[in-house]
Amino acid sequence: EAGVTQSPTHLIKTRGQQATLRCSPISGHTSVYWYQQALGLGLQFLLWYDEGEERNRGNFPPRFSGRQFPNYSSELNVNALELEDSALYLCASTLGGLSTDTQYFGPGTRLTVL
Amino acid sequence: KNQVEQSPQSLIILEGKNCTLQCNYTVSPFSNLRWYKQDTGRGPVSLTIMTFSENTKSNGRYTATLDADTKQSSLHITASQLSDSASYICVVSEDDMRFGAGTRLTVKP
Repeated sequence: EAGVTQSPTHLIKTRGQQATLRCSPISGHTSVYWYQQALGLGLQFLLWYDEGEERNRGNFPPRFSGRQFPNYSSELNVNALELEDSALYLCASTLGGLSTDTQYFGPGTRLTVL
Repeated sequence: KNQVEQSPQSLIILEGKNCTLQCNYTVSPFSNLRWYKQDTGRGPVSLTIMTFSENTKSNGRYTATLDADTKQSSLHITASQLSDSASYICVVSEDDMRFGAGTRLTVKP
């Protein structure tokens, strides 16, 4: 069974540009979580989508947004990129929307903002 | 202030030795506590998950303990292997998930 997949693996942008990151959950999983992991820092929760709806978002500015498609795949958009947005962006999926559900993480997208 | 604090920040041990990683949290109430292993450049992989009523949970050579009274958890790794070199992340869930900064473990031959 395929795990969580993310694309692209690496993404290089310049300040002010927009970045779009994609995530495909494990087949059958309806919840998708997005996290930011800056170098040397812990994972920071960004967004949670379940059944196509945004259920919760972390303490990030509105230029971080996303959506979940009918097939449960998800997209994270970061507008007006800033240097400090450089980080590993991880996506995780769960079977349902319970906090006890195990999260399965993808390999991440490494975003570099120059 | 981070509500989940992990210690030590980094740890180097010799192959075959045991080690214990610590996680202190202030999230309250909480529904569950997880430990993840994250290899460099990879996504985290779940090791254990415990609800507030559980005291211990094992997964092979990994054993997690939880003391809900003192709000402390530990991850004990037995007979370490080179492949145990990774970051270990403690995550406490309430309505959302609060991540610790992780402990970077290096196992040397």
